[in-house]
Amino acid sequence: GQNIDQPTEMTATEGAIVQINCTYQTSGFNGLFWYQQHAGEAPTFLSYNVLDGLEEKGRFSSFLSRSKGYSYLLLKELQMKDSASYLCVPSSGGYNKLIFGAGTRLAVHP
Amino acid sequence: DGGITQSPKYLFRKEGQNVTLSCEQNLNHDAMYWYRQDPGQGLRLIYYSQIVNDFQKGDIAEGYSVSREKKESFPLTVTSAQKNPTAFYLCASSIDARSTDTQYFGPGTRLTVL
Repeated sequence: GQNIDQPTEMTATEGAIVQINCTYQTSGFNGLFWYQQHAGEAPTFLSYNVLDGLEEKGRFSSFLSRSKGYSYLLLKELQMKDSASYLCVPSSGGYNKLIFGAGTRLAVHP
Repeated sequence: DGGITQSPKYLFRKEGQNVTLSCEQNLNHDAMYWYRQDPGQGLRLIYYSQIVNDFQKGDIAEGYSVSREKKESFPLTVTSAQKNPTAFYLCASSIDARSTDTQYFGPGTRLTVL
């Protein structure tokens, strides 16, 4: 079967650091994407991991462990505009099939 | 400016009517996708197309139809056979359908069937 497990909601303070964890099970695994989705808007691409390890991109970093079926997204220096849902999205199958869960809704407060 | 456009942003239709949602991209991407999102849920794949004149059913294709006559365009028709058509519809594209290609999304169309 295919399953993604992320916390439903998280809260954090402006300027702080937050880590959003994700565990996944897929039949076949190609890589893992993280998307940000503000309420009522389309998802926007944040990062992609195919090999184990950490990918850093500005205030955002993403980590992958393929053997553990585990990833996390690290957000530093949080800003109010970071309040959004964060989607952990494994890719599986012979074509670019993305597996979407409901994501983690992050609320950043002053 | 390269990107994916979907219009309109909001669409209202009466029950029993077919409706076509547009999706256009000028990114020169081969692959295009249609998803629907219901409140509090993840995106679900309706149809995808890897190349012009070819498309495949996704996980929830019943009640929907698509065409891919041009590389830039991938319209989705929501037919009267779709039992719960009210949803947020998202179109995406990627360079091709390889597993490593990032999918980029259009702004979405929110369809309400009255």
